[in-house]
Amino acid sequence: ETGVTQSPTHLIKTRGQQVTLRCSSQSGHNTVSWYQQALGQGPQFIFQYYREEENGRGNFPPRFSGLQFPNYSSELNVNALELDDSALYLCASSLAGVQNIQYFGAGTRLSVL
Amino acid sequence: QKEVEQNSGPLSVPEGAIASLNCTYSDRVSQSFFWYRQYSGKSPELIMSIYSNGDKEDGRFTAQLNKASQYVSLLIRDSQPSDSATYLCAVNSAGGTSYGKLTFGQGTILTVHP
Repeated sequence: ETGVTQSPTHLIKTRGQQVTLRCSSQSGHNTVSWYQQALGQGPQFIFQYYREEENGRGNFPPRFSGLQFPNYSSELNVNALELDDSALYLCASSLAGVQNIQYFGAGTRLSVL
Repeated sequence: QKEVEQNSGPLSVPEGAIASLNCTYSDRVSQSFFWYRQYSGKSPELIMSIYSNGDKEDGRFTAQLNKASQYVSLLIRDSQPSDSATYLCAVNSAGGTSYGKLTFGQGTILTVHP
């Protein structure tokens, strides 16, 4: 149990729709990172938020956006869903500067039809 | 060249044997190295972290790091069927605008058979 919770656990959307995924960080953690994991692959870094500001971004288009709130919870928003967006979306929280250890939530499985 | 590469699997070992998992990385400024275990349909679970050259032991797990060779490995002694999972090598390249970004390998599937 990492103390990182994600919701919902599963989601089915159709192409072109928008989706919001949510993450509650481990208590005391001020950094949240989001990853996309396609079937059979390692997680791919989407972006990271530190104290409510984006702190780095991977090779994902602008239709992937995020927010971090004062209580350090976070959202991942994806607009104009495409079939290739079907994946497991993972949120990881960490305490910046403390050896960068990231703890993952259980993930949200997104299926785009 | 991929940023983080793991030895191709799947890897199958008998119960009680040593499982050896290997990983190489391309970014020389990488500072932190992690091994995560991921059971099918679940999220990655941290099992080892290593930051300095040499060995780090935790129970049946030993991580080895060689920064000169850009190589990190994980040994699992006395392998158990419950160790059957995908093992992910992750490398942190702190600094710049990607502080704390983890770059993962593609994973190695380990099967421990009784």
